[in-house]
Amino acid sequence: EVQLVESGGGLVQPGGSLRLSCAASGFSFSSYWMSWVRQAPGKGLEWVANIKRDGSEIHYVDSVKGRFTISRDNANNSLYLQMNSLRAEDTAVFYCAREGTNRAGFDTWGQGTLVTVSS
Amino acid sequence: QSVLTQPPSASGTPGQGVTISCSGSSSNIGSNYVYWYQQLPGTAPKLLIYRNNQRPSGVPDRFSGSKSGTSASLAISGLRSEDEADYYCAAWDNSLSNWVFGGGTKLTVL
Repeated sequence: EVQLVESGGGLVQPGGSLRLSCAASGFSFSSYWMSWVRQAPGKGLEWVANIKRDGSEIHYVDSVKGRFTISRDNANNSLYLQMNSLRAEDTAVFYCAREGTNRAGFDTWGQGTLVTVSS
Repeated sequence: QSVLTQPPSASGTPGQGVTISCSGSSSNIGSNYVYWYQQLPGTAPKLLIYRNNQRPSGVPDRFSGSKSGTSASLAISGLRSEDEADYYCAAWDNSLSNWVFGGGTKLTVL
């Protein structure tokens, strides 16, 4: 079964850091682009970042550039999001999502992990 | 303010049809595929339509997508109570080098 499981969310103070992880199983992880997508409470979806199959190409939404770093470990089938200088507006559920081959969209999503930035 | 524009709400009665629009620009919808996602309350989003009008296996043919120029639409026929959810359109934006989403449309089945 194709599965993505996020972890690492929690409560952090403004200015703090957090590292999210996404464990992939049931598919050849190294064959897929991967993304992080977030959803603030009661709000819509916002794409955060993505990373190419081998990690050689990365893109970020402007609001997190310089603060967040996406990375992957293909040997361990894992995706990461290092989040620094966190702000209240970063409070959201963060989803790990697989970008399907042949432009198939985000065809697999994790259950999400909640990040709360508050003092 | 989302890059792609969707109506915040839509509604219909069981058995009816409804259409949700998504408006973008030449840098996103105008030059790339459109995707639609369904998010049931309290759950993760699910891919509903890919490459403008393709349905993943398991998605009923009551759901259909179309695209024309810089706009796209999701049509749902034969509404059922379980279709009550939030629907999001998405596309890659060449100018931003980002995926962009619409603000979402909350569908109510009356």
